[in-house]
Amino acid sequence: DGGITQSPKYLFRKEGQNVTLSCEQNLNHDAMYWYRQDPGQGLRLIYYSQIVNDFQKGDIAEGYSVSREKKESFPLTVTSAQKNPTAFYLCASRGAGGRTGELFFGEGSRLTVL
Amino acid sequence: AQRVTQPEKLLSVFKGAPVELKCNYSYSGSPELFWYVQYSRQRLQLLLRHISRESIKGFTADLNKGETSFHLKKPFAQEEDSAMYYCALYSNYQLIWGAGTKLIIKP
Repeated sequence: DGGITQSPKYLFRKEGQNVTLSCEQNLNHDAMYWYRQDPGQGLRLIYYSQIVNDFQKGDIAEGYSVSREKKESFPLTVTSAQKNPTAFYLCASRGAGGRTGELFFGEGSRLTVL
Repeated sequence: AQRVTQPEKLLSVFKGAPVELKCNYSYSGSPELFWYVQYSRQRLQLLLRHISRESIKGFTADLNKGETSFHLKKPFAQEEDSAMYYCALYSNYQLIWGAGTKLIIKP
């Protein structure tokens, strides 16, 4: 079954703790993205990666970190520096070629900070 | 500045009525625009793109460069169309998203 897998679906964290969200894809896509989805604000870009071992900050990167050591994987760490981490997080990937704007999304991870 | 605006947070129409979800954009150059949809408990997915000029699930969207708009239309709404709809603009390897419109189809 091809696609993007995010885990965990639900995660609870105490204040002051870091947490890592997993994103794996088997679509052989080069580009991967992390978004934060809040009600009424649409999708806001946290980080993106066009190729292995390279990534760029998005609009709201503060308090987050990523790595891209493998093409298939793009984990997101929500650090204790993120002031308002409770949110729904979406991972996406994009293939190369003509369909430049078509993103494929995971089911999302909902993080709640207690 | 590049921007996508969806002026309606919520749109509620009766089944069988026409639907129009508005999207306006700000972009210097030739835009590449998309509509994405998120049904309840399903992942966000591409609905249609302006380049394809296609109709998906009865929805169409026409790019109007003069009005900088890319409104999504359907002549007769169905209950299964209830979902969250996002308009997006592709630029510099990423998508710029509107805030989304929640569409509710009343029976």
